Amino acid sequence: QSALTQPASVSGSPGQSITISCTGTSSDIGNYDSVSWYQQHPGKAPKLIIYDVSNRPSGVSHRFSGSKSGNTASLTISGLQAEDEADYYCSSYTTDSTLVFGSGTKVSVL
Amino acid sequence: QVQLQESGPGLVKPSETLSLTCTVSGGSISRGASYWSWIRQHPGKGLEFIGYIFYTGSTYYNPSLKSRLTISVDTSKNQFSLNMRSVTAADTALYYCARAMGIGTSVDYWGQGTLVTVSS
Repeated sequence: QSALTQPASVSGSPGQSITISCTGTSSDIGNYDSVSWYQQHPGKAPKLIIYDVSNRPSGVSHRFSGSKSGNTASLTISGLQAEDEADYYCSSYTTDSTLVFGSGTKVSVL
Repeated sequence: QVQLQESGPGLVKPSETLSLTCTVSGGSISRGASYWSWIRQHPGKGLEFIGYIFYTGSTYYNPSLKSRLTISVDTSKNQFSLNMRSVTAADTALYYCARAMGIGTSVDYWGQGTLVTVSS
């Protein structure tokens, strides 16, 4: 089970928008609309911020949005804020009936 | 509000079995479509799915770990457990128990994680 591919790091200035990609295969992202995104601050457990490609759980800022095209999913953070500095992980359902996570992206706010 | 708490030894010797238990509170482990999950994170690294179990006992494991894993559930205690056999230093990680809303879906509740070190 290979991890989904994410860029190691993405950075942006406050107020800007950034996009994190998550590339899989036809055995995971390309075959299911069950892509999730998680935010993890240092020393904390991950927090769900997007589920089923583009849905936000209650309480998650509208600045987070998700999409998918083919084997690649994307997370966009608009109006970047200092508190968005964290690690971000994608995940997808797989043909093995399991989950696979992305390699993780460190977001820095300049 | 569902809460999860991991428990178990923080130090395991190489070649032995890592055993962790997750106690669920704030909801029944037997209700709904939830899959009760184990996920780990190697120090400074990303998340790795280990496996999950439905309250009926149906399990799904990461294929790369499957030969060493057993996940079980005790509905009477509202707990589920992880046994990983023949551990090596490569199994040193922060182990999270968590709830997936359904099979293959998002993980909405996480425990705080417990660090397990494999060392003699």
